Amino acid sequence: AQTVTQSQPEMSVQEAETVTLSCTYDTSENNYYLFWYKQPPSRQMILVIRQEAYKQQNATENRFSVNFQKAAKSFSLKISDSQLGDTAMYFCAFMAGNQFYFGTGTSLTVIP
Amino acid sequence: DVKVTQSSRYLVKRTGEKVFLECVQDMDHENMFWYRQDPGLGLRLIYFSYDVKMKEKGDIPEGYSVSREKKERFSLILESASTNQTSMYLCASRTVSYEQYFGPGTRLTVT
Repeated sequence: AQTVTQSQPEMSVQEAETVTLSCTYDTSENNYYLFWYKQPPSRQMILVIRQEAYKQQNATENRFSVNFQKAAKSFSLKISDSQLGDTAMYFCAFMAGNQFYFGTGTSLTVIP
Repeated sequence: DVKVTQSSRYLVKRTGEKVFLECVQDMDHENMFWYRQDPGLGLRLIYFSYDVKMKEKGDIPEGYSVSREKKERFSLILESASTNQTSMYLCASRTVSYEQYFGPGTRLTVT
C-alpha cells in the first residue's frame, strides 16, 4: 500500500524567513513521481513543484525547492524568503501507476 | 492555461436525493479524477478515468458512481446522498507529464 505522511499539521514562519515542510512516503514502486501542491484559503489547488524519482537532482522552482532522499523515502519542501501569499495548506502527493496519493496537509501561516 | 471547471461551488441536498457533480476540462486530457477533501484526512481518491467510458475505483468508491461519455466531461454521481457524504469534492485532470490540474471544488452539504 502507498502512504504519504505529513507529520506537521500546522506551521508558521516570519515573513522573509525560510521554512521547511516535511513529507515521508512508503512504496514498493521503483518508478514514481512526487509533488507538492498549495491550496490557498478558499482558492484553487495549484502545483508548486514536482520531482521524478529517477532524478537525483533536487527540483527547484524560484523560491521553492525540495530535498528528495529516495533511500529514506523523504520529500521535504523548502520555501525561502517567505511571503504573505505563501499562506496556504500544502499537500505532499505521490503518484505511481495511474493513481495519486495525498498526505493530510500542513497549514502554513506566514506572519508579517 | 489549463482550465478545469466544476458545475457548482456550493450545493445543499437532502438525504436520499440523487446528486450530480460535473467537471469539465478544456485541455484534451485523457485522465480525470474525483477526490473528496476532509479536514485531517487530506484528499482521498473516489474514482478516476483514463479514457472515455473507462473508469477505475479509487480508495473510497462506496456510495458513488461516475460517468465519462465525452473526453472533456467527468461526472460524479451520488445515487442516494447521505449526511456522511457532506464534504468538499475536487475534480482534476492530468497531463501526460503527470501534473494534475484541479477545479475550484464543490462544497456539498447533505442535510
